[in-house]
Amino acid sequence: GDSVTQMEGPVTLSEEAFLTINCTYTATGYPSLFWYVQYPGEGLQLLLKATKADDKGSNKGFEATYRKETTSFHLEKGSVQVSDSAVYFCALGERESGYSTLTFGKGTMLLVSP
Amino acid sequence: DAGVTQSPTHLIKTRGQQVTLRCSPKSGHDTVSWYQQALGQGPQFIFQYYEEEERQRGNFPDRFSGHQFPNYSSELNVNALLLGDSALYLCASRSEIKRTGELFFGEGSRLTVL
Repeated sequence: GDSVTQMEGPVTLSEEAFLTINCTYTATGYPSLFWYVQYPGEGLQLLLKATKADDKGSNKGFEATYRKETTSFHLEKGSVQVSDSAVYFCALGERESGYSTLTFGKGTMLLVSP
Repeated sequence: DAGVTQSPTHLIKTRGQQVTLRCSPKSGHDTVSWYQQALGQGPQFIFQYYEEEERQRGNFPDRFSGHQFPNYSSELNVNALLLGDSALYLCASRSEIKRTGELFFGEGSRLTVL
């Protein structure tokens, strides 16, 4: 079955540092890939997505590129802010299900200090 | 525009009891999915409702059941509660027609089973 593996957290960075959160996946089909973010006390929100190989999703300074050859979708940001502190989830979904049946990784907590 | 709302936010039950959780989808959405998020884990898909019927189901026992009402709101019922059912239960909604690849999540109902 489908699965998503993320790097273990927490990831602790100083403000303005470079961020990478690794994500790899296993899928039987040709999924779309997502990053969701969960801020403290809030629900999950879509951060970015990519629907086919070599697509780059981007939002709020975050980027991730769909790499089919390495089955990866690593999240990057050039300069993190304290307000980026949250839990980040990598996920995959099948188009046929309308992306409702997402498969999530375990999440990676990011802590950014001033 | 109200987002996805869930109730109750927190509840405590004892083993063997039954629980009902409620969800109102985002305005304009007609498809509701439920996820279970155990502590330190990513959300796991329970089931999806559309047109008042369960359309897809994840790997959860029959103790987990649901319902969708004509106004698209939904309930999740769990019978014969086990300690392992302690988790954050997330409701997510989307529009069946506008499949953008984004699910909108509520803040969840945190269930503790003693």
